[in-house]
Amino acid sequence: EVQLLESGGGLVQPGGSLTLSCGVSGFTFTSHSMTWVRQAPGKGLEWVSSISESGVNTYYADSVKGRFTISRDNSRNTLYLQMNSLRAEDTAFYYCARGIYGLAYWGQGTLVTVSS
Amino acid sequence: DVVMTQSPLSLPVTLGQPATISCRSSQSLVHSDGNTYLNWFQQRPGQSPRRLIYQVSKRDSGVPDRFGGSGSGTDFTLKISRVEAEDVGVYYCMQGTHWPRTFGQGTKVEIK
Repeated sequence: EVQLLESGGGLVQPGGSLTLSCGVSGFTFTSHSMTWVRQAPGKGLEWVSSISESGVNTYYADSVKGRFTISRDNSRNTLYLQMNSLRAEDTAFYYCARGIYGLAYWGQGTLVTVSS
Repeated sequence: DVVMTQSPLSLPVTLGQPATISCRSSQSLVHSDGNTYLNWFQQRPGQSPRRLIYQVSKRDSGVPDRFGGSGSGTDFTLKISRVEAEDVGVYYCMQGTHWPRTFGQGTKVEIK
């Protein structure tokens, strides 16, 4: 069974940093690109970032470019999202998903709240 | 960026009746590899999104056959042939052809 489990969310002050993790199981991690999507409370879905199978190629939304870094540890079957210089508008549920053309599987999400 | 425009944004439906959601993209979604990466997702209240349809019309495993996707180029449709109570939620289209990836605004399906 394919499973994705996000962790690392929480309350952080504006300007602060946070690193999200997404542990996966049930499929060969090294064979799949991965994506982060976020959803502000009560709002729609917003693509944040994607990474290729090897980690060589990364892609970012303009809204997070230069502040967020996506990475992966293929030996640990884990995807990461390092978030710096956080702003109030980054408050959202963050989901990891498998794929970049079509997001076939999603985690349950982790909530990031940026507030003083 | 490719803008994905869904309509309607709210869709009250009667149980057992069909429902149709439209999704239009501001650019063709045909990829250089020949595929069209148009996806449909369902998000039930309090749950994570779930993919229903990929590459316009391919149904994901476990998705009831009352869900169907169609379209080409820039115009796409998700149809539910007979709405059931479990279909309540928000439906999103998403293009996976161009960077950045973009979603439609979402269509809220509710029972009349």
